[in-house]
Parts: sequence; structure tokens; C-alpha cells
Amino acid sequence: SQQGEEDPQALSIQEGENATMNCSYKTSINNLQWYRQNSGRGLVHLILIRSNEREKHSGRLRVTLDTSKKSSSLLITASRAADTASYFCATAVDSNYQLIWGAGTKLIIKP
Amino acid sequence: EAGVAQSPRYKIIEKRQSVAFWCNPISGHATLYWYQQILGQGPKLLIQFQNNGVVDDSQLPKDRFSAERLKGVDSTLKIQPAKLEDSAVYLCASSLSGRRNNEQFFGPGTRLTVL
Repeated sequence: SQQGEEDPQALSIQEGENATMNCSYKTSINNLQWYRQNSGRGLVHLILIRSNEREKHSGRLRVTLDTSKKSSSLLITASRAADTASYFCATAVDSNYQLIWGAGTKLIIKP
Repeated sequence: EAGVAQSPRYKIIEKRQSVAFWCNPISGHATLYWYQQILGQGPKLLIQFQNNGVVDDSQLPKDRFSAERLKGVDSTLKIQPAKLEDSAVYLCASSLSGRRNNEQFFGPGTRLTVL
């Protein structure tokens, strides 16, 4: 069953601009994780935010979590061509910490 | 640190044939996952092992799919017989534990095409 839904499904921006992707989920969670997938490096973990955290930063990435709205956002600042990839949110639900994945946002950075 | 290893990287078979995938997780990782990822979708968990025991195989089509992790290290996933709808990328992942801090590390995947 699908827990997370990313929005938009696809996003195309110019290099240097900021990219924002959103994720909504249905049930209470222990943590929410963002992953990136491209043909070169496969599926790679980007950042994990716990249910008691509201914001987290890692380099050019900023993740927010609003548990009251059951939503999260991933902001990539000063985008680069290498950021072209699909971005997935995955939620670890209360009962068993298994990750349930959304369908992803396909991000294209135009030079 | 060596990552998650998978083989083969690509496999093309006819429907009704059998196929097997192999995965070697990161050393020391107790939890191993097999996912199926169909083009345009997110990964779907097939089976989760904790050491050599199965934690969850509720989404594994057991009439045709089987998986084992005999010594709690590497694992194999088998499909017998394959169907057209099994065409997908099969991803293996591992994590230190299946609980807190459950960041998962993925292998490169095996792209299966069933003709």
C-alpha cells in the first residue's frame, strides 16, 4: 500500500534555481527519509528526519516535517546539473519501522 | 567501506523460465531487504530479513518467488516461473538494524526483462 505521495510528479528548473518537492503521508510515523535515484549512483539516502523534529539541513538540502499536516518538503538550493534525478520520500511507520515509499518526483535541471 | 553488492546487473529471460538474484549486504548489517521497483514507481518491499530470519514477507508472491539468507549474510531471491509482469528492477538493501536509525543502503539493482 502506498503511504507517501510526492508532489509534483515532475519538475524542470534552470541550474542555479531552488527546487522544492513535497511529500504527504497517511499514518503516524517514526521518521521520514528522502532518497535520490539516478542512473549513475542508484538509490542513495539523503536525509532522515524524526517525528519530533521540524527541520533539518544537510549541505544544500533542507527538509521540513509537519506532523499535524502529515507532510514534508525537500528544498534543494542552488541546483546543479548533477541534481537531476528522481527523489523519493519514504516513511517509517510506528509499528515496524519498515519504509513505505512514494512514487517519486522526477527533477530535471536544465543547464 | 564496500557497499551492497548485487549480481547480475541485467538479466533477460523468457516467461516461465526461472531466475535467481544474489545480494551481499554491507558487513555487519543485520537487516536485509529485497525490493521490486517497476518503472515509474517507488520501491515495493518484497521481503525483510533480520539476520537469517524473515521479518516480513507479506508482499512476496510466494507461489513463484522465494528468498533465503541462510547464514545471515548474503541472500538470494528466486523467481520460478517468471511472468511478464515480473519485469522490473530488483533492489537489495541493508541497514544496521530494522529499527531506529534505519537508513537503508542500496545495491545497484538487477534489471530483469521477461519476454
